[in-house]
Amino acid sequence: AQSVTQLGSHVSVSEGALVLLRCNYSSSVPPYLFWYVQYPNQGLQLLLKYTTGATLVKGINGFEAEFKKSETSFHLTKPSAHMSDAAEYFCAVREPNAGGTSYGKLTFGQGTILTVHP
Amino acid sequence: DTAVSQTPKYLVTQMGNDKSIKCEQNLGHDTMYWYKQDSKKFLKIMFSYNNKELIINETVPNRFSPKSPDKAHLNLHINSLELGDSAVYFCASRDSGYSSPLHFGNGTRLTVT
Repeated sequence: AQSVTQLGSHVSVSEGALVLLRCNYSSSVPPYLFWYVQYPNQGLQLLLKYTTGATLVKGINGFEAEFKKSETSFHLTKPSAHMSDAAEYFCAVREPNAGGTSYGKLTFGQGTILTVHP
Repeated sequence: DTAVSQTPKYLVTQMGNDKSIKCEQNLGHDTMYWYKQDSKKFLKIMFSYNNKELIINETVPNRFSPKSPDKAHLNLHINSLELGDSAVYFCASRDSGYSSPLHFGNGTRLTVT
């Protein structure tokens, strides 16, 4: 069964500092990986995804993530934090070709709240 | 143009009542989902429909009954509401293909008193 662990339920950075949000997954096969962002009282918005090919993927708002199979990780980074980045971030995994009762199911991590200080 | 829309946005009701949440997507997607986000922000899948057919039914009390009249709509009916049902319920949809992401609605915050 697939699972996702996000290390650190809260991350705090200063404006302009590097953002690093950690995500590790457990899956029987290399999965599809996603990062979502949730602003207060809103739904989740896709930041980026990894399916196949280049392991460094770029997303919206200057975020990027690198798939490292050997480390079963998909950490999210941004070189310079902005106040508007303050939100909750979710990592999610889907096993490719999962059919039957697991059809397309996304499993989410527990989320990381990012706080950005001026 | 809202892609995935849910109504109502807020729902406050008393224990024992029956309530429904509606979801519509105008993205032409084949698959729709209901997720529950608890007070700790943990997201858990409840149901999924593909072209009006139920394909995922997680361990959810049978007081919860999804209905999909067509592939653009997925409603959630909850009978005999309990305090523990208080949560934010998210509808989502996605296109076919295992790599396609979920598109979420803005959620329905259900409070049971």
